[in-house]
Amino acid sequence: AQKITQTQPGMFVQEKEAVTLDCTYDTSDPSYGLFWYKQPSSGEMIFLIYQGSYDQQNATEGRYSLNFQKARKSANLVISASQLGDSAMYFCAMKDFYAGGTSYGKLTFGQGTILTVHP
Amino acid sequence: EPEVTQTPSHQVTQMGQEVILRCVPISNHLYFYWYRQILGQKVEFLVSFYNNEISEKSEIFDDQFSVERPDGSNFTLKIRSTKLEDSAMYFCASSEARRDSPIAKNIQYFGAGTRLSVL
Repeated sequence: AQKITQTQPGMFVQEKEAVTLDCTYDTSDPSYGLFWYKQPSSGEMIFLIYQGSYDQQNATEGRYSLNFQKARKSANLVISASQLGDSAMYFCAMKDFYAGGTSYGKLTFGQGTILTVHP
Repeated sequence: EPEVTQTPSHQVTQMGQEVILRCVPISNHLYFYWYRQILGQKVEFLVSFYNNEISEKSEIFDDQFSVERPDGSNFTLKIRSTKLEDSAMYFCASSEARRDSPIAKNIQYFGAGTRLSVL
């Protein structure tokens, strides 16, 4: 069974500083995907970044990068140059890829980390 | 930019009543999902739907729940007889059915959610 753990209930960062949000996972499937979503106070879930288990390089999307350490089963999100609008709940999620190579399965989410950016 | 649309944004109902939550997935997507998030808790998978049938469901998705794609654009979640513990934010998500690689990302894009309050 898949499991996602986010050990930081809350994080604080100064505007323009970088921040790392931790995520560890557990799965027995050799093929899987890792995702980060942002949930602002308005409630919607916004996709941020994806990392595949066989990707050779760490994923980057603008100010977001994923520090993927496969042996340690961690997929930490790094936000560079934090902005006030980054204040939100951040969820790490994963999806096992079924035998046969399809990837249409469910996402399993962590508990989330509330990030507060101070001016 | 295409988005997943959910209506209503907030639904208040009496215990025992039936509710239908509506979603319009992104138009070229073929996989549809419902998740729920009880206040303060993590997001939980309910059901996935493809080719007019359920492809996977969780233990939460019991006989009180059903899903339907009544036409080419809508995707609905029905709760037949609501209970107090059904109060939650319900998210619809959709993903495209990419087959351009054996480990396609198939990112799930979420709607803004429907907050269901059962009194």
